Amino acid sequence: SQTIHQWPATLVQPVGSPLSLECTVEGTSNPNLYWYRQAAGRGLQLLFYSVGIGQISSEVPQNLSASRPQDRQFILSSKKLLLSDSGFYLCAWKAGPFSYEQYFGPGTRLTVT
Amino acid sequence: GEDVEQSLFLSVREGDSSVINCTYTDSSSTYLYWYKQEPGAGLQLLTYIFSNMDMKQDQRLTVLLNKKDKHLSLRIADTQTGDSAIYFCAEDNGGSQGNLIFGKGTKLSVKP
Repeated sequence: SQTIHQWPATLVQPVGSPLSLECTVEGTSNPNLYWYRQAAGRGLQLLFYSVGIGQISSEVPQNLSASRPQDRQFILSSKKLLLSDSGFYLCAWKAGPFSYEQYFGPGTRLTVT
Repeated sequence: GEDVEQSLFLSVREGDSSVINCTYTDSSSTYLYWYKQEPGAGLQLLTYIFSNMDMKQDQRLTVLLNKKDKHLSLRIADTQTGDSAIYFCAEDNGGSQGNLIFGKGTKLSVKP
């Protein structure tokens, strides 16, 4: 069966520090991968998606970047965090372009102080 | 532009039925989804419906879709305290990438 992991689960970082959040998926090949942010007020905003290794599409301009160095690994990064980067970051996957079920990881709670 | 709207709160008594409503704007959506989020957790896919269907039932869950009015609802029969959570409606953006547009979520509170 497929599982999705995210780490760390929680993170407290000072303003101006770098960020690296990791997401990995097991039990599937060539998934579509997604990064969402859930800020206060509960709305989910799609940040990045990837349909393959090295292929990243950004949905909104921001202080963050994403990379996909391996088929089932998706990384969210920042060189210098802002206070506004605080939130709950969720990674999700679906099994390629012909699948309609998108599954979410457990999330990372990021607090920028 | 694409938009998904939901009421923010719903309170019901244990054993009653809950109905959570959602409206969307993108008529090119192929599927519409309901997700559940418990405190501090990720989103759990509850159910989804193909846009050319008008109803889907899965145990205690019934999804109704009115494509003409772009209205989606989720009915939970015999609501239990364990159903207390935030429920998100989402539509896909009609593309093969599978990008989802989410509503802000409806917080369901179930009182004993």
